[in-house]
Amino acid sequence: EAGVAQSPRYKIIEKRQSVAFWCNPISGHATLYWYQQILGQGPKLLIQFQNNGVVDDSQLPKDRFSAERLKGVDSTLKIQPAKLEDSAVYLCASSSATWTSGDTQYFGPGTRLTVL
Amino acid sequence: ELKVEQNPLFLSMQEGKNYTIYCNYSTTSDRLYWYRQDPGKSLESLFVLLSNGAVKQEGRLMASLDTKARLSTLHITAAVHDLSATYFCAVDSTSGTYKYIFGTGTRLKVLA
Repeated sequence: EAGVAQSPRYKIIEKRQSVAFWCNPISGHATLYWYQQILGQGPKLLIQFQNNGVVDDSQLPKDRFSAERLKGVDSTLKIQPAKLEDSAVYLCASSSATWTSGDTQYFGPGTRLTVL
Repeated sequence: ELKVEQNPLFLSMQEGKNYTIYCNYSTTSDRLYWYRQDPGKSLESLFVLLSNGAVKQEGRLMASLDTKARLSTLHITAAVHDLSATYFCAVDSTSGTYKYIFGTGTRLKVLA
């Protein structure tokens, strides 16, 4: 079974530029998450989708971040314009709630963003 | 507000020793998850605990859940260097709006 795919793996941009990240979840997983992980900290949920609907985006800085999940499969996360404090690893995860696995999340390799 | 706290935040231990990592959470939940993250890598699922009293074991790691105390433990037996990583617990809550919150993480270093 293929895992969660993310691209690009690394991105370096200057502040005020825009950037987009792509995620393809595990086939059949209805729930997709985007997290921001700053070095030395735990993942912080930015947005959660159930199919193509948003479940939780309470911590998404909506003035600069946007995300979409068209057709309930892959997803893109965009930052425009980027700030220095956006430097982090952006993780995508997917899950398919079952009786035996609960809501275990499967993570992609992440995109490491550096904003100069 | 759902909060998840782990302690210790950092743990340096000798190979062969035993130790326990604690995960406390602030709201009612019957589901707790443990993940491992190696430096520069993504998170990998270790255990899922779905009921009070649940215990799961794999190799030198054993996780348990006490929903009444809102506490999970991750016990390390006879640590080896390969266990060096950061360990996160996570809790999901269906009380009100669904939330999935990660703990602060415990950075474990096992010294040879």
